[in-house]
Amino acid sequence: KAGVTQTPRYLIKTRGQQVTLSCSPISGHRSVSWYQQTPGQGLQFLFEYFSETQRNKGNFPGRFSGRQFSNSRSEMNVSTLELGDSALYLCASSFGQPNTGELFFGEGSRLTVL
Amino acid sequence: GESVGLHLPTLSVQEGDNSIINCAYSNSASDYFIWYKQESGKGPQFIIDIRSNMDKRQGQRVTVLLNKTVKHLSLQIAATQPGDSAVYFCAENPHNAGNMLTFGGGTRLMVKP
Repeated sequence: KAGVTQTPRYLIKTRGQQVTLSCSPISGHRSVSWYQQTPGQGLQFLFEYFSETQRNKGNFPGRFSGRQFSNSRSEMNVSTLELGDSALYLCASSFGQPNTGELFFGEGSRLTVL
Repeated sequence: GESVGLHLPTLSVQEGDNSIINCAYSNSASDYFIWYKQESGKGPQFIIDIRSNMDKRQGQRVTVLLNKTVKHLSLQIAATQPGDSAVYFCAENPHNAGNMLTFGGGTRLMVKP
């Protein structure tokens, strides 16, 4: 059974650019969550999608957005990149029922903003 | 705002000893707690979870204890092995918050051979 797949694994952007990250969940999983991981702030929740609808959203500016497709694959977008957006972006999938089991994380997309 | 925190950033133990990693939480609305292990270059990996109606839960070589009175969570690893070396995170899931997790800052466990 394939795990959560995130692409690209590494990318470098410059300030002001925008970036799109992709996440393919485990087959059958309908919930996809995104987290930002930095040395200073740790793991912070960005948003969760379930059945193509945003179910929860963290405290991030509107430059951070996401979407989920009918096949449960998800993308997140960051516009007008800032140096502070440099981070490991992690995607996690689950069947969708909250508090019923673990989230399966991908290995992340490491974004460097220069 | 409320957050999940950890008492110790780094824990060094001898191979074969037991390890205890602690975590404090402050959101009284949380009713589900999870421990994750993150190895270098990988995403967090589920270890064990516990619901607020339980005080203790055991897995293979791991035990999670929950003390709701003092809002404290701990992870015990028995017979620690070199492969246990990683960063460990506790996370809480508030009630009715979907799969939105609030993570603690992490504790680095170093196992000396």
